[in-house]
Parts: sequence; structure tokens; C-alpha cells
Amino acid sequence: QQQVKQSPQSLIVQKGGISIINCAYENTAFDYFPWYQQFPGKGPALLIAIRPDVSEKKEGRFTISFNKSAKQFSLHIMDSQPGDSATYFCAAARNSGNTPLVFGKGTRLSVIA
Amino acid sequence: DSGVTQTPKHLITATGQRVTLRCSPRSGDLSVYWYQQSLDQGLQFLIQYYNGEERAKGNILERFSAQQFPDLHSELNLSSLELGDSALYFCASRAGVNTGELFFGEGSRLTVL
Repeated sequence: QQQVKQSPQSLIVQKGGISIINCAYENTAFDYFPWYQQFPGKGPALLIAIRPDVSEKKEGRFTISFNKSAKQFSLHIMDSQPGDSATYFCAAARNSGNTPLVFGKGTRLSVIA
Repeated sequence: DSGVTQTPKHLITATGQRVTLRCSPRSGDLSVYWYQQSLDQGLQFLIQYYNGEERAKGNILERFSAQQFPDLHSELNLSSLELGDSALYFCASRAGVNTGELFFGEGSRLTVL
């Protein structure tokens, strides 16, 4: 049973465009939703995270949108750059992150000039 | 650099063999997590230790075991290896039980021939 479903599997975006990655979860007890970024040969690194008391969080060009009723959240990358090319994982956890993160299967983003 | 160190970076072995992967968490971090990353399954949580004690268990096979030592480093033991065990194994750490960010190492790539 996949608790966090992520789409699309891969994404190609033109430089300067908007990259959108979506995730859906099933467990309503989840209350912490981070996004991790992974470059080839490296481990995942925290990019941005949100808790369900807000519907949106923005950090620079990266925005998380959260829809509690639909049990969905998404990552928007504005003005996408070739340096953003990486694999992005959404994740979820219960109890404000105290429990192990459950990850989506990842989205491979390629930003082309 | 996340501060989490994993060795070895690459390991090639044969079916039926046993290997040990090692992880040194960030200085001061008490929690250690092990994740398995494969192309089709994404990041799968295996096991978590906190200050030497097992805290949570995920999809870890009975052939796999782990422990966290008094100096807080952790080892993941994989035995009776099968072709399907070929994957990237990540260790992650965080300061305690009450903070959400995980810091990942660069992984150990295991190839079983």
C-alpha cells in the first residue's frame, strides 16, 4: 500500500517555466509534509516543508500548496533553471515529523534551455 | 555536505553473501534511519534507531538487521543476499525525536551479482 502517491514520474520543463509536481496521501494523521531534492550521486536534501495549518508556503522560487480536504499537496518551481534538474521526493509523517518519513516514488525533473 | 558519512560508497558482491554498511550520523544526532532506494520503489524506510534503541521498523526483511552503537554510529547488515537487494542504501540522521528534518548521507550502492 503506497501511502504517498507522486506524479508525474518525470517532467521536462523549459528554462524559465513553471515546474509542478503533485502528491496525494491517504493517512489523515499525517501532519508534516516535506519535499526533498536529490542530485545524482547525492543523498536527498530537505527543500521545503509545510504543516497542515497553512495552505501555502513559499521560499524563494519554491512554493508548496496544500489542500487538506483533498489530501493533496504540490510543489511549484517558478522560473525553473537548469540547476533545478534533479529528482524531487514528496514525503509525509505523523506527529509533526516524529515518525519516519514516508516518501513518494520521486519525480525526475529536467529543465532544458 | 550533510555531515552524515556512509561507507562503503560502492559494494559489489555475489548472491548468498553478507555485507555490512556503516553510517556515522551528524555530530550530536541521536536518531539514525536507514532507507533503501530502488528505481521502481523510491525511498523505502527500513528501520530507525534512537540513542541505541530500535524506535521504528518499516519494510525491513528478516535477512537484514541493524544496530546503533554507544558512539551513535549505526550498521546495517544484509545477509543471504539476492539479486533484488541491489539498491542504494541511505542513512539519515536528525537531532532528536522532535525535529522533522532528516539529513541524508550520500548512500552506499550495493550491487549483487
